[in-house]
Amino acid sequence: DAGVIQSPRHEVTEMGQEVTLRCKPISGHDYLFWYRQTMMRGLELLIYFNNNVPIDDSGMPEDRFSAKMPNASFSTLKIQPSEPRDSAVYFCASSTGVGEQFFGPGTRLTVL
Amino acid sequence: AQSVTQLDSQVPVFEEAPVELRCNYSSSVSVYLFWYVQYPNQGLQLLLKYLSGSTLVESINGFEAEFNKSQTSFHLRKPSVHISDTAEYFCAVKGYGGSQGNLIFGKGTKLSVKP
Repeated sequence: DAGVIQSPRHEVTEMGQEVTLRCKPISGHDYLFWYRQTMMRGLELLIYFNNNVPIDDSGMPEDRFSAKMPNASFSTLKIQPSEPRDSAVYFCASSTGVGEQFFGPGTRLTVL
Repeated sequence: AQSVTQLDSQVPVFEEAPVELRCNYSSSVSVYLFWYVQYPNQGLQLLLKYLSGSTLVESINGFEAEFNKSQTSFHLRKPSVHISDTAEYFCAVKGYGGSQGNLIFGKGTKLSVKP
């Protein structure tokens, strides 16, 4: 299996632009998680899905952030409009069964 | 609800020395416990996990952790570290029973192995 796939690996954009991060979970996994990691705040859970349905989005920082999972093999995290404080590494992870999560390589986002 | 405390944010050690990274958790239900490792500029990788059975679990690269229910701890140990063990280590907990939910991560411990 290819593991969790994220794209792009790096994104540099200007303040105010829309950013879309993409994730393909491991086939057969029915849970998908989005995390954000910064030096200041560490690893934060933003949202997670079960069977394509959002279960807990309490970690989404504000309305500028939205996430979708239209099918079992694809999810997006969108930031509109982006701000410099959104600069971080965004990880996607998937899991099934007992709860071990498999992480993708991350997307490093820089908002200028 | 569960929570995880990693008592040390940074641990510097010399190569071939032993190391212990501490992790304590709180939970009102029984738990699964995990250690993840993050090498520089990479994602998190599962290092080892405790689900049930033997309270001592081991990884393929010489780390071990022991689940201590009475002390609510899951400390990570290695008797002799290598330069290549330099990374950030995250302890995580998940309660079982009911909905699966998410892992609760600690804030991480940066292990720096010096020659």
